Amino acid sequence: AQRVTQPEKLLSVFKGAPVELKCNYSYSGSPELFWYVQYSRQRLQLLLRHISRESIKGFTADLNKGETSFHLKKPFAQEEDSAMYYCALKSSAGGTSYGKLTFGQGTILTVHP
Amino acid sequence: DSGVTQTPKHLITATGQRVTLRCSPRSGDLSVYWYQQSLDQGLQFLIQYYNGEERAKGNILERFSAQQFPDLHSELNLSSLELGDSALYFCASSVGPELGSAPGELFFGEGSRLTVL
Repeated sequence: AQRVTQPEKLLSVFKGAPVELKCNYSYSGSPELFWYVQYSRQRLQLLLRHISRESIKGFTADLNKGETSFHLKKPFAQEEDSAMYYCALKSSAGGTSYGKLTFGQGTILTVHP
Repeated sequence: DSGVTQTPKHLITATGQRVTLRCSPRSGDLSVYWYQQSLDQGLQFLIQYYNGEERAKGNILERFSAQQFPDLHSELNLSSLELGDSALYFCASSVGPELGSAPGELFFGEGSRLTVL
């Protein structure tokens, strides 16, 4: 069964400090991983996807298959980064689970001034 | 707003009751997904419909059911409600059946907050 684990429910940093939100996954197939973000009073939205290898709002995430991790990083956190962050894994296996996203439990990031 | 819309935004009811949550997908999206968000479980996938047909099933209880109508809106029915059903229920939509055209991109509604007393 596929699983996504975000070990930290809460993460607090000061503005300008580096931040890393941890995500580990277990999946028997070839994983596709994503980060979603929910800012205060806004909808949950896609932040970035590993296949694009992109940097969005200064955030990057590298898929490490050896460690089965997809940590989200930003070198200098900003106050506007405060939000709930979800790591998600897309199932590519067959059957009734195909295509669905499995989310981790989420990490609330607070960036203090 | 042509995004995903969910009604009601808030709902308070008693144990044993039945409620219906409604979702209209983004214009042009054929897939609708339902997720339950609770403090201890995070975002749990419940069920997906594509163009009126059930496509994928997750951790949906037997007391819960869903359907997608010809106009593509979807309803999630929750019956014999228990205190533990209190949660935020999200609907999301995507274009295709397999998140193919925009891999991994789901467009979420604002959620329906259900409180069971």
